[in-house]
Amino acid sequence: KAGVTQTPRYLIKTRGQQVTLSCSPISGHRSVSWYQQTPGQGLQFLFEYFSETQRNKGNFPGRFSGRQFSNSRSEMNVSTLELGDSALYLCASSSGHSRGGTEAFFGQGTRLTVV
Amino acid sequence: AQKVTQAQTEISVVEKEDVTLDCVYETRDTTYYLFWYKQPPSGELVFLIRRNSFDEQNEISGRYSWNFQKSTSSFNFTITASQVVDSAVYFCALSEVNSGYSTLTFGKGTMLLVSP
Repeated sequence: KAGVTQTPRYLIKTRGQQVTLSCSPISGHRSVSWYQQTPGQGLQFLFEYFSETQRNKGNFPGRFSGRQFSNSRSEMNVSTLELGDSALYLCASSSGHSRGGTEAFFGQGTRLTVV
Repeated sequence: AQKVTQAQTEISVVEKEDVTLDCVYETRDTTYYLFWYKQPPSGELVFLIRRNSFDEQNEISGRYSWNFQKSTSSFNFTITASQVVDSAVYFCALSEVNSGYSTLTFGKGTMLLVSP
């Protein structure tokens, strides 16, 4: 069974640009969650999608957005990049059916550097 | 609001030593789940264990064991006879039934360094 695939693995962008990250969940999983990991703030929840609908959202500005396609693949977009957006972005895949306790499988992440 | 505290930022041990990673959580919910994840240098978070709030039975899996105590809101993780391959950052996380479906609140992590 293939794991969670995130692309690209590394990105370097300039302030003010926008970026799109992709996540392909485990086959059969319908929930995709995104997390931002920085040395200062640690792992923070961005949002979760289930069956193409955003089901939950963390405390991030509107520059951070996402979507999910009918095949459960998800993308997140960050517009008007700031230096502080430099982080490891992790995607988590789960079945999404059990409230609160579903085991989440993570991808290797996309390391975004904003210069 | 939910919160997870991992007071140990970094722990260094020599191979074959036992090591315990501490985790203290805060939640208002009576139903919740606790998790431990391992993050090796490759970056991927690897699931280790999930416990629900109604199951305080301790668990042992090979060299790993977990001690869940609701009375002290703690969910500690012990590695017995540590190995160099155990070197990683370990995260404790909390998921509440009433605050979202797959939302995990993570602690800041504990970096474990096991030297030969």
